[in-house]
Amino acid sequence: ETGVTQSPTHLIKTRGQQVTLRCSSQSGHNTVSWYQQALGQGPQFIFQYYREEENGRGNFPPRFSGLQFPNYSSELNVNALELDDSALYLCASSGGLDSYNEQFFGPGTRLTVL
Amino acid sequence: DAKTTQPPSMDCAEGRAANLPCNHSTISGNEYVYWYRQIHSQGPQYIIHGLKNNETNEMASLIITEDRKSSTLILPHATLRDTAVYYCIVRVAGNSGYALNFGKGTSLLVTP
Repeated sequence: ETGVTQSPTHLIKTRGQQVTLRCSSQSGHNTVSWYQQALGQGPQFIFQYYREEENGRGNFPPRFSGLQFPNYSSELNVNALELDDSALYLCASSGGLDSYNEQFFGPGTRLTVL
Repeated sequence: DAKTTQPPSMDCAEGRAANLPCNHSTISGNEYVYWYRQIHSQGPQYIIHGLKNNETNEMASLIITEDRKSSTLILPHATLRDTAVYYCIVRVAGNSGYALNFGKGTSLLVTP
C-alpha cells in the first residue's frame, strides 16, 4: 500500500506566474483535500474533491483551483501568484466523505514566490 | 466546528509522560475531538480521536472531561522523536466535507 505522494517537493516561482501542484492519493481513497500552511501557522483548508467533484472550499480566492482525475489523483492550480502564496502545500486523502478516522497527509510541496 | 485553545509550547523530559491540554468549551454534542501532530517539515499525522469516552491506542491516550469542555492527550513515555507540533481539532464525524480546522497547536519539545 503506497501512501500519499506529492510533486514537486520544492518549487520557486515569480509573482504573476502560474503553478500546478500534484498529489497521488493513497490506494483505495476517493477523497482528496488540499491545505496551505504558511510558516509558523497551522494548515488552512483550501478545498476538497470527492469523486472528481469539488465538495467544499475554504476562504481562498478563485485563482486557487483544482481537479481530481478518475484515478483520484489531484492537482492544485494557482494563478497570478502573489508573495503571500509562499507556503507549504499539503494534500490529504481519505476513504470517503463518511470516513472520519484519518486523513493521510503527503509530505507537501514547498512553494516560494519571489 | 468548535474552536480550540492550546498552550503554544510545552517541554517534557524523555521517558516521562507528556500531557497536552486542549480547551473546547463550545463543543457540540456530536463533535469529536481529534489529535494530529506534525513533525518538522512533514505532513500532519493522525494520532487519536474520541467523542466522550477515554480512548487509547498504540501512540497515545485521550482523556475527555465529563462535560466535554476539555481534553488531554497523553504520550505515556515521551521520546525525542515525539518532538512535534500537536493539534487538537473538534469536528462532526462523518459530515460531508472533511475540512480539518487546524489552529496553531502546541509545540512539544522532548529533552534528553
